[in-house]
Amino acid sequence: AQRVTQPEKLLSVFKGAPVELKCNYSYSGSPELFWYVQYSRQRLQLLLRHISRESIKGFTADLNKGETSFHLKKPFAQEEDSAMYYCALVGQGFKTIFGAGTRLFVKA
Amino acid sequence: SAVISQKPSRDICQRGTSLTIQCQVDSQVTMMFWYRQQPGQSLTLIATANQGSEATYESGFVIDKFPISRPNLTFSTLTVSNMSPEDSSIYLCSASDGSYEQYFGPGTRLTVT
Repeated sequence: AQRVTQPEKLLSVFKGAPVELKCNYSYSGSPELFWYVQYSRQRLQLLLRHISRESIKGFTADLNKGETSFHLKKPFAQEEDSAMYYCALVGQGFKTIFGAGTRLFVKA
Repeated sequence: SAVISQKPSRDICQRGTSLTIQCQVDSQVTMMFWYRQQPGQSLTLIATANQGSEATYESGFVIDKFPISRPNLTFSTLTVSNMSPEDSSIYLCSASDGSYEQYFGPGTRLTVT
């Protein structure tokens, strides 16, 4: 079965602290994995995708096929990072499966 | 990239009525999708809107309740039929140009009383 699991509904960190949002997936083929972000009063938008291997707004995510994980990391959190983050997997038929989401709250 | 607009942005409807949500993309796209996002929950795919043919519905969603049209490569509509309070949700349209990445509309917040 295709599934995306984000175990934390809420993650609260202080400004300047490292942050890691966890994502685990279940998929029988080679996954296309993404992180989407939704800032307050804005639409859902792509943050990064695993295939690009780039850093966006200081965030990185590494695909670990052995652990079936795609955790999102940032070494120093900023207040403007406060948002809802969704891990997503594109499966068969181009259908995207979203995790439950993690709300990140960065405290001053 | 693609910019997506949705109309209406929000509506309050009485039970038993129907609402049609429009989704417009500023460029031709391969795929269009409709999602539902209930309060405090993640996105649930309702269906894939296929251009020129019937939509492909996910388990738990049926055409009679959520009829979808996609007359061309830039436009789609979702109708929520015979509404009940359980249909109160945010309905999202998204599009993909075949690169797996999706672009999302701002959503339609529906409240059924």
